[in-house]
Parts: sequence; C-alpha cells; structure tokens
Amino acid sequence: AQSVTQLDSHVSVSEGTPVLLRCNYSSSYSPSLFWYVQHPNKGLQLLLKYTSAATLVKGINGFEAEFKKSETSFHLTKPSAHMSDAAEYFCVVLGTYKYIFGTGTRLKVLA
Amino acid sequence: GAGVSQSPRYKVTKRGQDVALRCDPISGHVSLYWYRQALGQGPEFLTYFNYEAQQDKSGLPNDRFSAERPEGSISTLTIQRTEQRDSAMYRCASSLAPLGTGNTEAFFGQGTRLTVV
Repeated sequence: AQSVTQLDSHVSVSEGTPVLLRCNYSSSYSPSLFWYVQHPNKGLQLLLKYTSAATLVKGINGFEAEFKKSETSFHLTKPSAHMSDAAEYFCVVLGTYKYIFGTGTRLKVLA
Repeated sequence: GAGVSQSPRYKVTKRGQDVALRCDPISGHVSLYWYRQALGQGPEFLTYFNYEAQQDKSGLPNDRFSAERPEGSISTLTIQRTEQRDSAMYRCASSLAPLGTGNTEAFFGQGTRLTVV
C-alpha cells in the first residue's frame, strides 16, 4: 500500500531564507507524487507533481521538489521564502485511483 | 463551471440531524472524489465515482455516510443522524479521467465546513 510521511508538522523560516518541507513515501511500485498547498479559506492547489520523468520537478511560485528513490524522499524546497508562502502543505502519493495525503506541514514565514 | 463548487460553505447542525453536502464538479470531468479533513490532519479519502457509478466507497466510515451522483455530474454526500465526531471539512474533487490515467490531476473545491453541535 502507498503512504507518505511528512516529517515536520510545523516549520518556521524567516522571509528571504530557504524553505525545506520533508516528505518520505512508501510504495510498492514507482510512485506518482504531488505537493499541494492550502491557504486559509481556500481550496487545495497543486504546486507540482512527479510522474517518473525528470527527478527534479519545478512547480509554481518558485517551488521545486526532488524525487530520490534511494532515500524514498520527495522534499519540497524554495530558495527564498515570501510572506505569501505561509500556508499548509501536503505531500500526496497516488494510490489506486485516489490520492493519499500526508498529515500536512504548516509553514510560518517570519518578517 | 470554472472550478469545483461546493455548497454550503459552512453548515452547523444539531446532533442527530441529517445533512446533505453538494458538489458540482468541473464540467466534463468523469471522476469525482469526496474527502474528509479533520482539524490538523490531511484529507482522508471517503469515496469516488466514475460517471454515475460509485467505484470505491471503502473510506466511508460507517453506514450513516452515503454518496450519490445520479446523472454523472453533481454529487451529494449525505450524513444521517450526525454525531459530533462528524465535524470536519468535507472536500470534493474532480478529474477529467480517473487518477492514474495519463497525466490526470484532481481539482479541489473550497470545501464545506461541517460543525455538529
């Protein structure tokens, strides 16, 4: 069965510093992996997705993630945090015709 | 429509009452999904449809929960005899084809916040 584990429930960074949100996955076959963002009172928005093409995936708003099979990881990064990045982020693995979500990481950006 | 629309956005109900949550998917989307998100948790799968056929209802927590999509478009999630533990955000998503087919992705609505008092 597929699953994802988000290693941090909360991350705080200063504006302008790098962001790292960690996700490990478990899958019996080559996974499809996603990162979604949820801003307050908004729906879930797709940031990026990995579907067995390039291992470094670029998404919207300057985010990117690297698929590392040897480490079973799919960490989300951004070189420089902006105040508008404050939100909840979900790592997602594709199961059998459905998404399986991690528990989420709340990102706080300090001025 | 332009996006997935859910109604109502907020619902407060008394324990023991039935509630019906509506999802209007993106026009032409074959697949429709229901998720439940408790406070501080990630969304958990409830059920999904292809057209009007319910393909998987393994995530429905008990027989008080049911869903339908009679004409392959709008879907209703019904919770009978609500309990306080049913309080959560209920999210609907739709996709052009079943997830895992080609490069399909799901688009989510803003959710319905259900509070059972």
